[in-house]
Amino acid sequence: AQSVTQLGSHVSVSEGALVLLRCNYSSSVPPYLFWYVQYPNQGLQLLLKYTTGATLVKGINGFEAEFKKSETSFHLTKPSAHMSDAAEYFCAVGGNEKLTFGTGTRLTIIP
Amino acid sequence: EAGVTQFPSHSVIEKGQTVTLRCDPISGHDNLYWYRRVMGKEIKFLLHFVKESKQDESGMPNNRFLAERTGGTYSTLKVQPAELEDSGVYFCASSQARTGYGYTFGSGTRLTVV
Repeated sequence: AQSVTQLGSHVSVSEGALVLLRCNYSSSVPPYLFWYVQYPNQGLQLLLKYTTGATLVKGINGFEAEFKKSETSFHLTKPSAHMSDAAEYFCAVGGNEKLTFGTGTRLTIIP
Repeated sequence: EAGVTQFPSHSVIEKGQTVTLRCDPISGHDNLYWYRRVMGKEIKFLLHFVKESKQDESGMPNNRFLAERTGGTYSTLKVQPAELEDSGVYFCASSQARTGYGYTFGSGTRLTVV
């Protein structure tokens, strides 16, 4: 069985500050890990994914995430927040062609 | 290329009524998935089609939900009769065969049962 825990259902950061969204997972097999973003009135958009290889994964819009097997974590970061980053972010783990999602983190950017 | 299209975008129905959601995947994508997010909770897998065949329907909540994919093209998800707990956002996604989760999601259908 697989599961995902996202710490913090709401996160607020100031514009220009570091964004850190936390994700821990549980998986009985080597995981495929994903971050998705949902902007208002839009679908889920893939930010980045880890399958194999390099543990630091770079995605779109300046986001990156690091797979840490020892900590079972896949935290999402961005060095400098923009107003356009305001959205809901979902961490997911993949297995057998289906995804198991976390409950989501709503990111608010303070001007 | 056109993305995954879902309609309606919103639907409000009364308890006991029937609703049918439709998903048009990206042309040529054999894999089609349905997911659902109940308010405030995680997005949960419902089922997976490969062409017109149901590959995995382990997430379907009960027999009030019926999914079809005629001819391996668009898919419909029917809820009959709808209950209050069926309210949520229903997402569809599609992908080419075996691309390591190269999902493309649609914008979702927000279903409200009153």
